[in-house]
Amino acid sequence: EIVLTQSPDFQSVTPKEKVTITCRASQSIGSSLHWYQQKPDQSPKLLIKYASQSISGVPSRFSGSGSGTDFTLTINSLEAEDAATYYCHQSSSLPWTFGQGTKVEIK
Amino acid sequence: QVQLVQSGAEVKKPGASVKVSCKASGYTFTSYGISWVRQAPGQGLEWMGWISAYNGNTNYAQKLQGRVTMTTDTSTSTAYMELRSLRSDDTAVYYCARVSGEMAAWGQGTLVTVSS
Repeated sequence: EIVLTQSPDFQSVTPKEKVTITCRASQSIGSSLHWYQQKPDQSPKLLIKYASQSISGVPSRFSGSGSGTDFTLTINSLEAEDAATYYCHQSSSLPWTFGQGTKVEIK
Repeated sequence: QVQLVQSGAEVKKPGASVKVSCKASGYTFTSYGISWVRQAPGQGLEWMGWISAYNGNTNYAQKLQGRVTMTTDTSTSTAYMELRSLRSDDTAVYYCARVSGEMAAWGQGTLVTVSS
């Protein structure tokens, strides 16, 4: 099973600041890495697919990069509505797995 | 637009079974798979398994093997997840999601509470 480790677990950020969340895979997964945002009491929402592909309707301040074992989700100019928990997910090999999540709080 | 609508909350006793439904609309049901993901209170996301809506092929998380069954009814574009021999640690919100690698659309979630 591929283990995904996110860092940090928690981040407290002021509005307009840049946020970087990393996701490290225990073995190479190519670009089969996706990012989701989950707000309290809501279903997860797809932000980025296949490491860096943007999703229609997702603000352009969200971007992704990486391949192999190391991936990054970047939020440029954080807004108050971005307070949420962010998860990475790999679909390279079964069983699919998720990272443990990174909670982003607005200061 | 793509929609996945799940059945309502359930309360079950330990040892019982639960079957959650997920009705899809807004796309060709058999062109995508359905994954089930659960989230225990205050915890992260746990992948439970996947079913191809095209041919019914399945793959389940090892820890749930023998207790979970995923099925689809293509005539109604509905996916089902049945979990048997429920335990207290199965208490969670259960989500279905349309998949083609990424999980692009999610149901609203179904809370399953296991309590004596």
